Amino acid sequence: DIQLTQSPSFLSASVGDRVTITCRASQGISSYLAWYQQKPGKAPKLLIYAASTLQSGVPSRFSGSGSGTEFTLTISSLQPEDFATYYCQQLAGFGPGTKVDIK
Amino acid sequence: QVQLVQSGAEVKKPGASVKVSCKASGYTFTGYYMHWVRQAPGQGLEWMGRINPNSGGTNYAQKFQGRVTMTRDTSISTAYMELSRLRSDDTAVYYCARAVPPLGYCSSTSCYDIDYWGQGTLVTVSS
Repeated sequence: DIQLTQSPSFLSASVGDRVTITCRASQGISSYLAWYQQKPGKAPKLLIYAASTLQSGVPSRFSGSGSGTEFTLTISSLQPEDFATYYCQQLAGFGPGTKVDIK
Repeated sequence: QVQLVQSGAEVKKPGASVKVSCKASGYTFTGYYMHWVRQAPGQGLEWMGRINPNSGGTNYAQKFQGRVTMTRDTSISTAYMELSRLRSDDTAVYYCARAVPPLGYCSSTSCYDIDYWGQGTLVTVSS
């Protein structure tokens, strides 16, 4: 099975900061990667699919890149509503998550 | 609008089974894979499996093989997930979730991106 790791596990940032989260796969997975945002007590929300395609309705400050074994989710200017946990997903597996907290 | 409405919270004893339902509306139920994902308290997301509502075909995570059964009733646009031989570490919120793109575009390595989720069903396993 392909294993996904995310870094960092936790990050503290301020409103307006540029934030980058990395997802690494244990073997090459082409561009089969999605990113989700989850807030406490809520279901996850799809942000990015196919590594870099923005889901409809998601703000353009979110972007994704990468292929093969290394992928990134970037938030260009962190907004108050972006404080949440972010998960990458490759087919049937999810990464362990990155919690973005307020500095 | 797309809605997935799940059945209510359950409390079960170890060794019992639980069956969670997920009623879909706002789209063609037989046109998209339905996935089941769970999340233990304070933990991450765990994929359990998926069902093709059109054919009834299923794919299960190896971890749950032999314990999970996913079914559907197309007449009422409802998917079901039954987990047997429950243990305390099965305590979690269970989500049903629709994947994209539509079935006609799917292969064994696609249709895992989830665009709509149910509200979640808390299953508590305790003696």
